[in-house]
Amino acid sequence: AQSVAQPEDQVNVAEGNPLTVKCTYSVSGNPYLFWYVQYPNRGLQFLLKYITGDNLVKGSYGFEAEFNKSQTSFHLKKPSALVSDSALYFCAVVKNMDSNYQLIWGAGTKLIIKP
Amino acid sequence: DGGITQSPKYLFRKEGQNVTLSCEQNLNHDAMYWYRQDPGQGLRLIYYSQIVNDFQKGDIAEGYSVSREKKESFPLTVTSAQKNPTAFYLCASSQRLAGRTDTQYFGPGTRLTVL
Repeated sequence: AQSVAQPEDQVNVAEGNPLTVKCTYSVSGNPYLFWYVQYPNRGLQFLLKYITGDNLVKGSYGFEAEFNKSQTSFHLKKPSALVSDSALYFCAVVKNMDSNYQLIWGAGTKLIIKP
Repeated sequence: DGGITQSPKYLFRKEGQNVTLSCEQNLNHDAMYWYRQDPGQGLRLIYYSQIVNDFQKGDIAEGYSVSREKKESFPLTVTSAQKNPTAFYLCASSQRLAGRTDTQYFGPGTRLTVL
């Protein structure tokens, strides 16, 4: 079955430290992967996506993600966390089904950055 | 400004009532989607549409209905048949439904509470 997993419900990081939010996936065919961020009571904002090519994808707000085909992972990273990065982060993968493509969503990881 | 608008931001419904959530986009996107978000869960797809006057059921369509009379608009009706409608509802759009690499862009959401 095609799926995506975010193994950590919550990640706590001190401000200024590097952060990683984990995502693993299982799909048939080539994976197309997305990261979104959600602030409280707001819609989701697109951060970055992996389509093909370079395994390190750079996105908005200083975030980047590393695609690892052998480990079927797409972890979100940032070298130096800000308190304002505190939010809910979602990983998604395109589900291949016939002629249209839907997203499969992870359950989300709450990121807390402490001053 | 380009984007997706949803209204109202908060909606309260009595049991047995139907309510309609509005979603409008001015991005000239062909595809539109409705998702439901519950705490601790990823987004679940309710309905999607790739063209005017056409829409398809998602994973949790029971108790919901939609229409797509205009390209810009994709309203969602939560009917009295929906047993547990209290949730955060998100509307999204993308350039194409069949574009597997197309990014979905989200509105700010509507929080529905059943009294």
